[in-house]
Amino acid sequence: DAKTTQPNSMESNEEEPVHLPCNHSTISGTDYIHWYRQLPSQGPEYVIHGLTSNVNNRMASLAIAEDRKSSTLILHRATLRDAAVYYCILREGFGNEKLTFGTGTRLTIIP
Amino acid sequence: EAQVTQNPRYLITVTGKKLTVTCSQNMNHEYMSWYRQDPGLGLRQIYYSMNVEVTDKGDVPEGYKVSRKEKRNFPLILESPSPNQTSLYFCASSLAVYNEQFFGPGTRLTVL
Repeated sequence: DAKTTQPNSMESNEEEPVHLPCNHSTISGTDYIHWYRQLPSQGPEYVIHGLTSNVNNRMASLAIAEDRKSSTLILHRATLRDAAVYYCILREGFGNEKLTFGTGTRLTIIP
Repeated sequence: EAQVTQNPRYLITVTGKKLTVTCSQNMNHEYMSWYRQDPGLGLRQIYYSMNVEVTDKGDVPEGYKVSRKEKRNFPLILESPSPNQTSLYFCASSLAVYNEQFFGPGTRLTVL
């Protein structure tokens, strides 16, 4: 199974950009990179996903390395509401519909 | 409002007493999934369903059953619950397996 590696925790100051890294060195050519986050006492929520090109949406940006072995979720201006656990997940290719979450990165925002 | 609902939200039960956790979505999604979340282990997939009458095992299926008789419902069945199934359970759905998943609010289960 393709796996991801993320730091256990990170801190950032409010209103500053945050870069959350994810390593996925065994990614295959057809795997999509998904990011979810889980706010305290809530279910996970979708943030963004991509395949090869960098992606932007209203919540965040996703920067994918050229060799696809790593990616970075970018929150452009962190707020207190962005304090959550962020999960980087690989959609494990065609014919395997399992989704494997890791333990994620706990992001703390400092006021 | 588009949503995934789970019932009950909280349940305390005893070993061996069969229980069902219901999951329902109103978005006409094909893909549905159950996860359990335990401290230090993150979210682990129990079972998933690609469509009606199509289900398959995730990473931790032992001790659980599911069924998908209707597109909107995907109940999780514990035939003989044990204390190691004490956990926080989430149901999720998506239009297809490649799409964004929508998660329910969670069911906190305690098996004594």
